[in-house]
Amino acid sequence: GESVGLHLPTLSVQEGDNSIINCAYSNSASDYFIWYKQESGKGPQFIIDIRSNMDKRQGQRVTVLLNKTVKHLSLQIAATQPGDSAVYFCAEKNSGNTPLVFGKGTRLSVIA
Amino acid sequence: DGGITQSPKYLFRKEGQNVTLSCEQNLNHDAMYWYRQDPGQGLRLIYYSQIVNDFQKGDIAEGYSVSREKKESFPLTVTSAQKNPTAFYLCASTIPGRGMDQPQHFGDGTRLSIL
Repeated sequence: GESVGLHLPTLSVQEGDNSIINCAYSNSASDYFIWYKQESGKGPQFIIDIRSNMDKRQGQRVTVLLNKTVKHLSLQIAATQPGDSAVYFCAEKNSGNTPLVFGKGTRLSVIA
Repeated sequence: DGGITQSPKYLFRKEGQNVTLSCEQNLNHDAMYWYRQDPGQGLRLIYYSQIVNDFQKGDIAEGYSVSREKKESFPLTVTSAQKNPTAFYLCASTIPGRGMDQPQHFGDGTRLSIL
């Protein structure tokens, strides 16, 4: 979910379970959405993207769901592994040459 | 390998000094971006450039300056006017959307600290 104040929300998941990370976006005109993974001390790494003409897109072990009615985006990670432990950010943009707008992130902690 | 290189990894600044953070990409991307990240926070846009010799302010441009003289390079200067410069700085690049948006690719950041 979205963070409040200075503390990132944390999701703790048992290794092997599925993870669901949620993001509420703000701009109803946004038509492109991305999920990034950021490990400590590194730059964000692209995971998966989705355009507003879709409501679901699957990658390797990851699925992104988009609900435009309630402006909600989620990232599902199947069979979560210790290497999935990181901070996950959603980002949105509307059409044209406008920059991405990032959410505040969710920390995923995988319990071995 | 194509990618974005940020240097240095760690940078220290004395109060009152300007410092310049380097960002170089060999991805042939037109657009480049600078973000600031504070602990436990998301990314906030400082400046961006869609094309050589042109750039725009982001949400927190005060106390920063940039130049875009070459397609490959987008250096960020943190000036003495930036009163709280300690942060993790991230550079990104992308091909600007031509009807189909593309994700931004990021460097591994520069951590700036005040001595």
